[in-house]
Amino acid sequence: GNSVTQMEGPVTLSEEAFLTINCTYTATGYPSLFWYVQYPGEGLQLLLKATKADDKGSNKGFEATYRKETTSFHLEKGSVQVSDSAVYFCALRVNFGNEKLTFGTGTRLTIIP
Amino acid sequence: DAMVIQNPRYQVTQFGKPVTLSCSQTLNHNVMYWYQQKSSQAPKLLFHYYDKDFNNEADTPDNFQSRRPNTSFCFLDIRSPGLGDAAMYLCATSVRTGVPGELFFGEGSRLTVL
Repeated sequence: GNSVTQMEGPVTLSEEAFLTINCTYTATGYPSLFWYVQYPGEGLQLLLKATKADDKGSNKGFEATYRKETTSFHLEKGSVQVSDSAVYFCALRVNFGNEKLTFGTGTRLTIIP
Repeated sequence: DAMVIQNPRYQVTQFGKPVTLSCSQTLNHNVMYWYQQKSSQAPKLLFHYYDKDFNNEADTPDNFQSRRPNTSFCFLDIRSPGLGDAAMYLCATSVRTGVPGELFFGEGSRLTVL
């Protein structure tokens, strides 16, 4: 089956620190990979995505590279801000015909000034 | 402009009193989903529609029903809410293509059961 394993939280960092949130996956078929972000009391927003091996998704200073050889899609940001405090979900969706988005457990990130 | 709109954003109901949550979309996507998200957990898929084709998850309780009268609208009915049904309910849409694309989520409807 399909599954996503995500770094346990919560994670607390100081402003301007480097961020890595690890994500690995198992999938039948060839998945697309996503990072979603959820701010308090809100729905999920797509942060970035990658649809094939070696693709790099990027948005708002966040990056993640689709690594097929290590089945990973780690999220990184060089300098975090207080406004990045949120819950981050890694997710995958496999090939045509399967509509489901499989989520990791989520990582709560808190940035302190 | 919001593309997936959920109403109401906050719903308070009494134990056992039926509730309907609504979702509308302006994206003309053929797939619509309902997720349940409890505090500090990942969203859990309840069911989805591909056009009018309804797909129920095996572990979705019978207490949860859904309707999709047309492409734009989808409803979640909770027939007899229990305390354990208090959660955020998320509607999402996507389009089926050859390459699996992202889901577009609404802001959610937070249900409180008294």
